[in-house]
Amino acid sequence: AQSVTQLGSHVSVSEGALVLLRCNYSSSVPPYLFWYVQYPNQGLQLLLKYTSAATLVKGINGFEAEFKKSETSFHLTKPSAHMSDAAEYFCAVIQGAQKLVFGQGTRLTINP
Amino acid sequence: EAGVTQFPSHSVIEKGQTVTLRCDPISGHDNLYWYRRVMGKEIKFLLHFVKESKQDESGMPNNRFLAERTGGTYSTLKVQPAELEDSGVYFCASSQPPKPPYEQYFGPGTRLTVT
Repeated sequence: AQSVTQLGSHVSVSEGALVLLRCNYSSSVPPYLFWYVQYPNQGLQLLLKYTSAATLVKGINGFEAEFKKSETSFHLTKPSAHMSDAAEYFCAVIQGAQKLVFGQGTRLTINP
Repeated sequence: EAGVTQFPSHSVIEKGQTVTLRCDPISGHDNLYWYRRVMGKEIKFLLHFVKESKQDESGMPNNRFLAERTGGTYSTLKVQPAELEDSGVYFCASSQPPKPPYEQYFGPGTRLTVT
């Protein structure tokens, strides 16, 4: 069965600094991977998805993630954090073509 | 195009009572999913409908939970009787027929508090 591990339940960065949120997956087949974001009082919104077309995936709001098979990782990055990026971020993998398996979530705080 | 909607946004009930959560998927989406996030834990899959049929209900915690999707449109998730450990946020998602990239669209969630 597929699984996802997010390292760090809380990450804090300064405004303008690099954002790096870590995600490692376990999958016996080529995975479909996703990053979702939940802003305060809102639902889950898809940031980006990996579907094997390209290892570097660009998403919304300046985020991107790189699929590294050798490291079984799919870390999320953004070169320069904005205050509006404060949210909780979830990495997920598809299991059985139907259900999403989520990591524990990482709450991102941006310091002015 | 309207997104996935859920009602209510928040529900507070006492242990032993019954609560019914509702989800309206995106129009035309045959696939509907329920997920739950208990405080401090990861979001976990509960079940999956294809139209009105339950495709996978392997994540349903016990028989106090009953999900329906009559007519293949909206879905309800009933908890009867509610227990303290049922508190959490219940998310609904919908998608087109599952094919790559398997993108699911989520609703805002229903926060259930059982006291």
